[in-house]
Amino acid sequence: SQTIHQWPATLVQPVGSPLSLECTVEGTSNPNLYWYRQAAGRGLQLLFYSVGIGQISSEVPQNLSASRPQDRQFILSSKKLLLSDSGFYLCAWIDRVGANYGYTFGSGTRLTVV
Amino acid sequence: GENVEQHPSTLSVQEGDSAVIKCTYSDSASNYFPWYKQELGKRPQLIIDIRSNVGEKKDQRIAVTLNKTAKHFSLHITETQPEDSAVYFCAASHRSGGYNKLIFGAGTRLAVHP
Repeated sequence: SQTIHQWPATLVQPVGSPLSLECTVEGTSNPNLYWYRQAAGRGLQLLFYSVGIGQISSEVPQNLSASRPQDRQFILSSKKLLLSDSGFYLCAWIDRVGANYGYTFGSGTRLTVV
Repeated sequence: GENVEQHPSTLSVQEGDSAVIKCTYSDSASNYFPWYKQELGKRPQLIIDIRSNVGEKKDQRIAVTLNKTAKHFSLHITETQPEDSAVYFCAASHRSGGYNKLIFGAGTRLAVHP
């Protein structure tokens, strides 16, 4: 069965520090992968999506970057965190082969920048 | 650009009553409309979806309707229970640059009072 793993679950980082959040998918190959951010009490904002290794599309200009070094691995990074980077970060995937376009979300990382 | 609007932002009902959440979308090419339920501190989970070739779909106490002409779709929950309390997100598919992604509404916080 397909599963998606995301870590860490919670993170408290000082302003100006680097960030690395990791997401991996199991049980499928060549998935579309997505990073979303959810500010407190708000909706889901698409940050990045990837259709294959090394292929990253950015949705909004920001302080973050994404990479896909392997087919089932998606990484969200920052060189220097800002207070506004705080939020709930969700990784999601869809099976490109399947007809179902619904996302499956990871369990999320709650990031607090202090 | 593509946009999904969701109303109301908050909804309070008594246990046993019905709840209706409405969404409109801007991309006439959208053909897939999922609904997600997010409990406090947890990931969004797909609860029901509908495709553009169908006008209505029902799964026990929840149903979705789609009006492609008017570009709006709705979630209906009947006989609400306290465990239905959560934030609900609608979404619409959007194809950009040959890739599919989901655009989410801002969410509706549903409170079901015993």
